[in-house]
Amino acid sequence: GNSVTQMEGPVTLSEEAFLTINCTYTATGYPSLFWYVQYPGEGLQLLLKATKADDKGSNKGFEATYRKETTSFHLEKGSVQVSDSAVYFCALSDPTGTYKYIFGTGTRLKVLA
Amino acid sequence: DVKVTQSSRYLVKRTGEKVFLECVQDMDHENMFWYRQDPGLGLRLIYFSYDVKMKEKGDIPEGYSVSREKKERFSLILESASTNQTSMYLCASRGLAGPAYNEQFFGPGTRLTVL
Repeated sequence: GNSVTQMEGPVTLSEEAFLTINCTYTATGYPSLFWYVQYPGEGLQLLLKATKADDKGSNKGFEATYRKETTSFHLEKGSVQVSDSAVYFCALSDPTGTYKYIFGTGTRLKVLA
Repeated sequence: DVKVTQSSRYLVKRTGEKVFLECVQDMDHENMFWYRQDPGLGLRLIYFSYDVKMKEKGDIPEGYSVSREKKERFSLILESASTNQTSMYLCASRGLAGPAYNEQFFGPGTRLTVL
């Protein structure tokens, strides 16, 4: 079946450090891939998405590239800020077109000033 | 902007009570979802509604029911609350057309504690 595996946290970085949060997936077919962010006390917000192989999603300095050959969608940011402290979720939508989404377990990021 | 609102941010109930969680979206989305979020488990789908009066069980429907009488409103019902239903509940909606196709929009969540 479909699944998403993302790196366990927490990830603690200093301000202006480089961020990578790994995400790999298993799916039959070609799912759309998403990164969502959850700030403390809030619901999830879409951060970026990619709908086909080699697509790069980007938003607010974050990027992720849909890599079909490695079944990965790693999240990167060149210089993190304290305000990026949040929980990040990788997700995929069912490639067969049903309503189902599969979420990773989330990675907590803490950025220190 | 798509807005998904949930009736309460925090709720405390007693074991055995009937609990209603309400969700409203303002973008005329066809699809609506209820998830629960627990540490280490990510998001798990409780129920899905693909249109008014239409519903489908998700991965963990036991102990829950839903109601969708109007397109904008999707209610989650805990028939008899139990302590193992203490969790964060997230509602989401999704449109089936336009540039945001296939994106889910989430509400702020309801943190439910059952004593």
